[in-house]
Amino acid sequence: GEDVEQSLFLSVREGDSSVINCTYTDSSSTYLYWYKQEPGAGLQLLTYIFSNMDMKQDQRLTVLLNKKDKHLSLRIADTQTGDSAIYFCAEYNQAGTALIFGKGTTLSVSS
Amino acid sequence: DTAVSQTPKYLVTQMGNDKSIKCEQNLGHDTMYWYKQDSKKFLKIMFSYNNKELIINETVPNRFSPKSPDKAHLNLHINSLELGDSAVYFCASSQGGAGDTQYFGPGTRLTVL
Repeated sequence: GEDVEQSLFLSVREGDSSVINCTYTDSSSTYLYWYKQEPGAGLQLLTYIFSNMDMKQDQRLTVLLNKKDKHLSLRIADTQTGDSAIYFCAEYNQAGTALIFGKGTTLSVSS
Repeated sequence: DTAVSQTPKYLVTQMGNDKSIKCEQNLGHDTMYWYKQDSKKFLKIMFSYNNKELIINETVPNRFSPKSPDKAHLNLHINSLELGDSAVYFCASSQGGAGDTQYFGPGTRLTVL
């Protein structure tokens, strides 16, 4: 069945770059997504990439997609303490009826 | 002007009670969803619904039922609440169905005592 895998924790120092990785099994999803969840808050759509693209840059965020290896990454440049949150990778299921989420990567940024 | 809103934000209730969580979207979207986030932060789809089709995740107990009075609302009704129902429930919506970007509400934290 469809599955999305992420490492659970990442700890970085303020000002460093953070790279959060994700692997997925179903390649039929038109878009792949990154959502951010701050403590006690809802899910915020952070960015997404069209499945035919290799890279998307949006200010401090860079998304890389390796479709052959089914690997997605999110790079946050100049990581700030306000970036501390859980980051979820997601893709649509094969039927296109629901998002399949990874277990989330908790990013901890220390000053 | 919140895009997807949910009420209540917090809900504390006793086992065996029946409760509802409301969701409204003002984005003009056709499809709405309910997701459950458990204590380990794992997110799973419960339902997706548009005016043509309700799709139910087969792992969802039939004590849970979505009710849609109109296209902008998808409420979640839960009968005979159990301790294991304690979780955060998120509503979401998307323009169409297959493959469209989903926008999430702020979540409802349900605690069953």
